[in-house]
Amino acid sequence: ETGVTQSPTHLIKTRGQQVTLRCSSQSGHNTVSWYQQALGQGPQFIFQYYREEENGRGNFPPRFSGLQFPNYSSELNVNALELDDSALYLCASSLGGFQETQYFGPGTRLLVL
Amino acid sequence: DQQVKQNSPSLSVQEGRISILNCDYTNSMFDYFLWYKKYPAEGPTFLISISSIKDKNEDGRFTVFLNKSAKHLSLHIVPSQPGDSAVYFCAASAYNQGGKLIFGQGTELSVKP
Repeated sequence: ETGVTQSPTHLIKTRGQQVTLRCSSQSGHNTVSWYQQALGQGPQFIFQYYREEENGRGNFPPRFSGLQFPNYSSELNVNALELDDSALYLCASSLGGFQETQYFGPGTRLLVL
Repeated sequence: DQQVKQNSPSLSVQEGRISILNCDYTNSMFDYFLWYKKYPAEGPTFLISISSIKDKNEDGRFTVFLNKSAKHLSLHIVPSQPGDSAVYFCAASAYNQGGKLIFGQGTELSVKP
């Protein structure tokens, strides 16, 4: 059984650029959630996708957008990057039902200069 | 508004002793609680969870206790091992929030040989 994978592992961008992060969900999982973890903080929920539809969104601006594909892999896109977007971006997959555990990937470390 | 709080940023314990990590929450709609462990440069690893209909759940050396009236949960690790040294996050979700996990700030556990 393959776990959650994310790419790339590290990324450096400059302010104003756009970035796309990718996530492959664990085998059999149809739900993907994205989180942002700033240094010294707990992960903050960005949004969740269930069967290719957005299923909930946290307190993030519209320049954070996402996509889920028919194979349940997912992308997180961030436009007009700001310095404060520097963080660890985590993807988690789950079965999407009631009280289902979310399993996390290793994350993508984004640095915005 | 921090709905999930871990008030101890760090905890140091001797190998073989009990580690007790604490977590408080404010939202009475939370009905599912999880503990994750995180090593540097890795994503959070799921440890153990508990539904709000229970007050205790055990898995090997790990036990989670839930006190709904006090809105408090704790993770007990017995006996503690040096490999348990990591940052521990508690997280909570509510059935009406679409699978969104709310995380605490984390507690760094150090188990000394």
